[in-house]
Amino acid sequence: AQTVTQSQPEMSVQEAETVTLSCTYDTSESDYYLFWYKQPPSRQMILVIRQEAYKQQNATENRFSVNFQKAAKSFSLKISDSQLGDAAMYFCAYRSPRGYNTDKLIFGTGTRLQVFP
Amino acid sequence: EAQVTQNPRYLITVTGKKLTVTCSQNMNHEYMSWYRQDPGLGLRQIYYSMNVEVTDKGDVPEGYKVSRKEKRNFPLILESPSPNQTSLYFCASSLGGGAHNEQFFGPGTRLTVL
Repeated sequence: AQTVTQSQPEMSVQEAETVTLSCTYDTSESDYYLFWYKQPPSRQMILVIRQEAYKQQNATENRFSVNFQKAAKSFSLKISDSQLGDAAMYFCAYRSPRGYNTDKLIFGTGTRLQVFP
Repeated sequence: EAQVTQNPRYLITVTGKKLTVTCSQNMNHEYMSWYRQDPGLGLRQIYYSMNVEVTDKGDVPEGYKVSRKEKRNFPLILESPSPNQTSLYFCASSLGGGAHNEQFFGPGTRLTVL
């Protein structure tokens, strides 16, 4: 069974600085999808960025980028030029394209990010 | 506006009193699922549905029931709630399969069972 591990329960960053959130996962599959979700105090789950395992190029979305290391099974999220609105809980998630339940997301335990002015 | 709605948003109830949390999506999505979020555990899938009348267990189905009689609705039923079901619940929907079929989440339902 696949697992997702986020080893940093909490992180903090100064406004305008860069912060990296870590995520590792365990799988025996070669093809899969990885995601980062943001959960602000409103509790809404917001998709930040996604990565397909077969793509070697790291995904980027404006100030958000990932460092995808397939061999190391690592999928970290880098937030550049941090803003106060980035303060939230961030979840790393895994999805397998195989089997019946192909839309199931397997989540990590989350990292709470604080942003200081 | 494309969205997933859940009701109620907040609920406080007592042990053993049956309750239903409704979930509805307006995107004609085939796939729907329920997750619960607990501190230190992340989100875990409770049940999912691939289409009308097709449902199956997720990772933590004990104490829950679901039904999918219409494509847009996927209610979560707690027949006899217990305090260990106090949690934050999310409904999600998607077209089904593939990374580009984004999962849309509802706003969440905060349930407290006394």
